[in-house]
Amino acid sequence: AQKVTQAQTEISVVEKEDVTLDCVYETRDTTYYLFWYKQPPSGELVFLIRRNSFDEQNEISGRYSWNFQKSTSSFNFTITASQVVDSAVYFCALRLQGGSEKLVFGKGTKLTVNP
Amino acid sequence: GAGVSQTPSNKVTEKGKYVELRCDPISGHTALYWYRQSLGQGPEFLIYFQGTGAADDSGLPNDRFFAVRPEGSVSTLKIQRTERGDSAVYLCASSLSSYNSPLHFGNGTRLTVT
Repeated sequence: AQKVTQAQTEISVVEKEDVTLDCVYETRDTTYYLFWYKQPPSGELVFLIRRNSFDEQNEISGRYSWNFQKSTSSFNFTITASQVVDSAVYFCALRLQGGSEKLVFGKGTKLTVNP
Repeated sequence: GAGVSQTPSNKVTEKGKYVELRCDPISGHTALYWYRQSLGQGPEFLIYFQGTGAADDSGLPNDRFFAVRPEGSVSTLKIQRTERGDSAVYLCASSLSSYNSPLHFGNGTRLTVT
């Protein structure tokens, strides 16, 4: 069975600090996708990124970057120069090919960026 | 374009009552998912539709929960004989048919059972 672990329950930083959110996943499948979602206080889950299991290139999008390492089954998310608007709960999720294609979520990391 | 729409946004009901939660997916999305999110937890899978049929209902907690999608678009999640433990935010998501497509979520329905 697949599983996603986000060991950090809550993180608090001061604006402009860099912060990394950890994600470790478990699956026996070789083909899968990993996702990150942001859930601001308003409640809607916002899609941030998708990465397939065959693409280990890191990705950067503005202040956001993602580090995918199959050797450690990790898909970590870094926010550079954090801002107050980054305050939210961030979820890592795993989706297998075939079957119901459902997303399996971690428990989330609550990030608070203080001014 | 319009996102996933869920109604009502809030629902308060008494223990033992029946409730229906509605989801209107993004037009053209054939896949539809229901999730439940309890406070401080990640979304928990309930059921998945591909078109009109429930392709995977393994996440429904018991037979009080049922969902339909009769015309392959709007879906209704139905909960019979509600219990206080059913209180949560019920999220609906839709996606294109392929497994590499991201799920797009609605704002959810907050259900409170008193």
